[in-house]
Amino acid sequence: DAKTTQPPSMDCAEGRAANLPCNHSTISGNEYVYWYRQIHSQGPQYIIHGLKNNETNEMASLIITEDRKSSTLILPHATLRDTAVYYCIVRVVLCQGGSEKLVFGKGMKLTVNP
Amino acid sequence: ETGVTQTPRHLVMGMTNKKSLKCEQHLGHNAMYWYKQSAKKPLELMFVYSLEERVENNSVPSRFSPECPNSSHLFLHLHTLQPEDSALYLCASSQDEGSSYEQYFGPGTRLTVT
Repeated sequence: DAKTTQPPSMDCAEGRAANLPCNHSTISGNEYVYWYRQIHSQGPQYIIHGLKNNETNEMASLIITEDRKSSTLILPHATLRDTAVYYCIVRVVLCQGGSEKLVFGKGMKLTVNP
Repeated sequence: ETGVTQTPRHLVMGMTNKKSLKCEQHLGHNAMYWYKQSAKKPLELMFVYSLEERVENNSVPSRFSPECPNSSHLFLHLHTLQPEDSALYLCASSQDEGSSYEQYFGPGTRLTVT
């Protein structure tokens, strides 16, 4: 079962920041927050992940609340190509490695409008 | 391009046919996965291979038979499928060592069972 809840959909204007929320109130101390997205008819694409500190990469920023019960994915300047289903996933990462499975929920459909 | 390729991209088969889906990863990863994505349902993990050994089988019917001959290739052999098996079948790979656990997905094979 997915351990996260996301709104089913969100609209954003092109060029604006898109802030995508995710609730994970039952997250454990050793679980990371991962974000993936799936553009129509393509495979999911990894975006970013974090444990408790905020993270930023070339695609997005991830803000995790201090109690780790929720997070926000930020696309700083949304483009039409960012229209996709965004998945927020919590996942255990073992120190010794291992194929920890991703459990995808329904995700959130982001539509970027011109 | 994610470094994970899948062939064929589209497949139509009858219920009595035997076919195989192929996945190849060019990323030097040591784990590979099969997922199923049915219409309006979340992605479902089917099989996980780590170092060419099957480490997870998520109660998948025996009409789906995976094969991992080496760390770069993964097959899904199909026989006597049902119409409800029509779906997008996604392959993914990951490097389950160190700190990099993100999965890279292929474009998927769109399967239609008639």
